[in-house]
Amino acid sequence: EQLVESGGGLVEPGGSLRLSCRASGFTFRGTWMDWVRQAPGKGLEWVGRISDDGRPDYAAPIKGRFTISRDDSESTLFLEMNSLKAEDTGLYYCTTEGRFVSGGGKDVWGQGTTVTVSS
Amino acid sequence: QSVLTQPPSTSGTPGQRVTISCSGGTSNIGNDYVYWYQQFPGTAPKLLIYKNNQRPSGVPDRFSGSKSGTTASLAISGLRSEDEADYYCAGWDAILSGWVFGGGTKLTVL
Repeated sequence: EQLVESGGGLVEPGGSLRLSCRASGFTFRGTWMDWVRQAPGKGLEWVGRISDDGRPDYAAPIKGRFTISRDDSESTLFLEMNSLKAEDTGLYYCTTEGRFVSGGGKDVWGQGTTVTVSS
Repeated sequence: QSVLTQPPSTSGTPGQRVTISCSGGTSNIGNDYVYWYQQFPGTAPKLLIYKNNQRPSGVPDRFSGSKSGTTASLAISGLRSEDEADYYCAGWDAILSGWVFGGGTKLTVL
């Protein structure tokens, strides 16, 4: 089972970025997926998730600015980020949620993609 | 300020048993399951404990989880040098309608 994120980079405050996460080695369709981020030297922060039928949930700090979507035909998860702020800087991980264990455990993680918001 | 509270650091010597606490409230730990993650420097986190006390396949039984009320604990017995890592607790918060993490505990093996 593997998740590979891409799309990170340097963006100016107020800018936009679209992250992708390609899944392989398991059935993506039917799997709940999450985004979790980690600011440099800091702890883990949940960004949001999308259900197997496409319903998203978002953390309060990003609600209205970020959009999570999925393309089951391409086994790919997306994170569209708009109105980016310096505090959005960090390593963004995509994860499965409860794919291989019951409950909501994030049981497969990608290697992460780095987003830097700076002028 | 994290919704779930963990000690920033703890330490132990090889062979010792250490515990890491995770304190929350009635809307998260007191209302739902607790999960624990292990993260080594420069690597992605790994699920260590799910649904309070269940271990995914491949996680040694030296690692155990428990929960009482609004507090959860991760115990590591027979401490090894390779257990030196950051540990995070997590749970679903019914008021926030989202997942919340503890601030993380850095475990040092002396």
